[in-house]
Amino acid sequence: QKEVEQDPGPLSVPEGAIVSLNCTYSNSAFQYFMWYRQYSRKGPELLMYTYSSGNKEDGRFTAQVDKSSKYISLFIRDSQPSDSATYLCALRRRETSYDKVIFGPGTSLSVIP
Amino acid sequence: DTEVTQTPKHLVMGMTNKKSLKCEQHMGHRAMYWYKQKAKKPPELMFVYSYEKLSINESVPSRFSPECPNSSLLNLHLHALQPEDSALYLCASSQPGAGHSVEAFFGQGTRLTVV
Repeated sequence: QKEVEQDPGPLSVPEGAIVSLNCTYSNSAFQYFMWYRQYSRKGPELLMYTYSSGNKEDGRFTAQVDKSSKYISLFIRDSQPSDSATYLCALRRRETSYDKVIFGPGTSLSVIP
Repeated sequence: DTEVTQTPKHLVMGMTNKKSLKCEQHMGHRAMYWYKQKAKKPPELMFVYSYEKLSINESVPSRFSPECPNSSLLNLHLHALQPEDSALYLCASSQPGAGHSVEAFFGQGTRLTVV
């Protein structure tokens, strides 16, 4: 079983739709849960991170973590064409002197005007 | 300044060449990372430097040689690469230790093509 699983898509939605992106994980040792956005030929950009179960909201983005189910989600409200990118979930375990990060395979999202 | 700068942006090299990738950050982060990303795949960790010491080598072939000359700089020396090493090489940095932000900042990457 892979440590992090994510539906690769591609996912295509009309502008203004609500988008739901999901990941499941198997190792409960991971403490931090992140979502990165990566545009084509660019480096990943951190969108949101959480370290506890529950919801965290930032503008049109809401991150949700359910540690008991080992399930994390990212919701995008009022999606825009500029949201078209690959979204990577990532789990981080903080070691003493470095951060171990495992990325999900990423979901490719297209928002159609 | 929340930027990680990588140079060059693009690199084409032959299998017998020696080249280096460079990464620089001035955020005072003491952990720096090299990742390799193939097309339509997530980044894969290669090396981690923490406080200028190599903490993790994820079984990377010796034709990749990292170097951390100081707390702001990270290099990746390349020698005798294979075409399958063609990928986007990403550098990242973060501040380790309890109580610090967990944010990791990525550079824009070097797109490497081995011919």
